Amino acid sequence: GAGVSQTPSNKVTEKGKYVELRCDPISGHTALYWYRQSLGQGPEFLIYFQGTGAADDSGLPNDRFFAVRPEGSVSTLKIQRTERGDSAVYLCASSQQQLGGGELFFGEGSRLTVL
Amino acid sequence: AQSVAQPEDQVNVAEGNPLTVKCTYSVSGNPYLFWYVQYPNRGLQFLLKYITGDNLVKGSYGFEAEFNKSQTSFHLKKPSALVSDSAWYFCAVGSRSQGNLIFGKGTKLSVKP
Repeated sequence: GAGVSQTPSNKVTEKGKYVELRCDPISGHTALYWYRQSLGQGPEFLIYFQGTGAADDSGLPNDRFFAVRPEGSVSTLKIQRTERGDSAVYLCASSQQQLGGGELFFGEGSRLTVL
Repeated sequence: AQSVAQPEDQVNVAEGNPLTVKCTYSVSGNPYLFWYVQYPNRGLQFLLKYITGDNLVKGSYGFEAEFNKSQTSFHLKKPSALVSDSAWYFCAVGSRSQGNLIFGKGTKLSVKP
C-alpha cells in the first residue's frame, strides 16, 4: 500500500510478557519514527532512525524498550517484561527528509493493552 | 530542549464562526512548526507546516497558521468552522539540529451546529 502500515492493530498481553510491534514505512522514506500516545495526550517521542541507525533514542523510557531497523526499511519495536503502564497506542511515522522539516506520515497505530 | 505548549484543552466554536487553536513553542535556533489533526480512532494527518518564508501558511481543509517569532507562537486558524472540523489538533516543533518532532498535548476542537 501507499501509506505507513503497522501490525498488529491491537495487541492484548499479560504483564511480564514480551511484545513486538512492526512498522512498514512508505517506500523510499529514510527517516522512521516511533511515538506512543496515551488517551487524551499528545504523541510522546520514543526513537527515530535515519536509515538503519538510531539517530535519537532519547525518548525510550527504559531498557525494556528497544527498536531495530536492520535493512533501513521495516522497523520493529520490542518491549520486554511488559508492565500495565506500557498500555498505549504506539504510532509509527516515516519521512523523506533527513534533517527535520519534512512532513511525517503516520500509520494507524498499534494499540497495546497489558493486563 | 524543544517544547510545545497548547494552553487550551478544549475549544468550542459554533459552525460558521472563526476558530483559533493556540500553540507556543521553545526551540534552539530556527523552528520547524507543524499542525496535525486526529479524528477519532484514526492516525494523525498533516495539516500544514512552517519551515521558512512567509509567516502565514495555508494548509489542508481551509486551515492556516501564522508564525510569530517574537511571541514564539504558531496559532492555527480557520475563517469559518465546520462541524466536520471537530477533532483533536496537535502542534509540533522540530529544528534542523534535531530530526525528531516534539508534539503538544493536543486541543480538542468541538464545532456545534
